Amino acid sequence: QLQLQESGPGLVKPSETLSLTCTVSGGSISSSSYYWGWIRQPPGKGLEWIGSIYYSGSTYYNPSLKSRVTISVDTSKNQFSLKLSSVTAADTAVYYCARRWGITIFGVVTPGPGWFDPWGQGTLVTVSS
Amino acid sequence: QSVLTQPPSASGTPGQRVTISCSGSSSNIGSNTVNWYQQLPGTAPKLLIYSNNQRPSGVPDRFSGSKSGTSASLAISGLQSEDEADYYCAAWDDSLNAVVFGGGTKLTVL
Repeated sequence: QLQLQESGPGLVKPSETLSLTCTVSGGSISSSSYYWGWIRQPPGKGLEWIGSIYYSGSTYYNPSLKSRVTISVDTSKNQFSLKLSSVTAADTAVYYCARRWGITIFGVVTPGPGWFDPWGQGTLVTVSS
Repeated sequence: QSVLTQPPSASGTPGQRVTISCSGSSSNIGSNTVNWYQQLPGTAPKLLIYSNNQRPSGVPDRFSGSKSGTSASLAISGLQSEDEADYYCAAWDDSLNAVVFGGGTKLTVL
């Protein structure tokens, strides 16, 4: 069964760039049926969608974070990655990666409406000097 | 302030039926499907309901979802102690061009 695992530094200094990788196992990231996404959850708070990527590299981001976010994919390693620049304490959160299902047209998933399943276990990133 | 509005808490006794509401607008729930996630303490969210009322394989039929206009609801019947968790609704927002979540509802089984 498909599994996702986040990895990366657990501590990042303010103003620096947060970098995380999600490794997909038990299935191929190069499927026309899914996007792949990042979601975060500050301690004790709710969920916030960061952005999503297709295996071709097509991306779409949360407008509130768009200026600081880059999501990329490495199909040879079955991984996708998140970079969030100019971080502050407000970016401290558990970061989750997930597979994104959605509406398919002729077997190709479309961006926009969809749901996340499954999710990785999450990784806590703390922004502090 | 979340785009989708959920009650912060809900509660019920074992065996009871509880519902959790999720209120939105014409740009999100009103024009797109709603999904629900369950987050047990200390764990990652898990998909509970997708496309308003569809249950993924393995989710008990005690869980059901519905949508009407710009609101959606999650119903849990035959409440069990293991249902104690945080529940989040989510939908695509056509105006924001973003996935939006509710603030979450903490369900307590008394």
